[in-house]
Amino acid sequence: NAGVMQNPRHLVRRRGQEARLRCSPMKGHSHVYWYRQLPEEGLKFMVYLQKENIIDESGMPKERFSAEFPKEGPSILRIQQVVRGDSAAYFCASSPQEGPYEQYFGPGTRLTVT
Amino acid sequence: GESVGLHLPTLSVQEGDNSIINCAYSNSASDYFIWYKQESGKGPQFIIDIRSNMDKRQGQRVTVLLNKTVKHLSLQIAATQPGDSAVYFCAEINTGGFKTIFGAGTRLFVKA
Repeated sequence: NAGVMQNPRHLVRRRGQEARLRCSPMKGHSHVYWYRQLPEEGLKFMVYLQKENIIDESGMPKERFSAEFPKEGPSILRIQQVVRGDSAAYFCASSPQEGPYEQYFGPGTRLTVT
Repeated sequence: GESVGLHLPTLSVQEGDNSIINCAYSNSASDYFIWYKQESGKGPQFIIDIRSNMDKRQGQRVTVLLNKTVKHLSLQIAATQPGDSAVYFCAEINTGGFKTIFGAGTRLFVKA
């Protein structure tokens, strides 16, 4: 049973470009969380999604950031017009049940904005 | 509580010794707690959890202690091994919601 998969593992974007980060949850999991981690810091919650629904996006910046989890395919975290401050590691986690329990984390996407 | 942009505190132990990693959480309404281990370049890995109706829980070589009075959580690792070297995060959750709040983390070095 494959774990949570994220791609790309490393992404370099110039300021003003768009970044798309993908997360494929574990098989059978219909709940996805996205987190952001700056160097030497803990993870910061961004958004919690179920299939086709955003449940809690209280950690997402109001502008430039969006997330989706379509009925088919991976969850996507999209950052428009990236700035240097967006450089971070972005992790997704999936869960088989509602609520922040039993989260399985992917290896992360390291975004560098030049 | 919410992590702050400081250098991670570091704990250095000798192989075979016991390690104790501490964490202060921020929200008295948090009722579920998890310890995660994060190795370099990887995502966090679940170690052990505890609910607020307990004050101690044991796993394989690990024990979590919860003191709700002072909002303190600790992780004890018995007979620490080089493979235990990593950053350890505590996480607090109010199960009425969906948000997990990670602590700042502690870097554990195990000397052979």
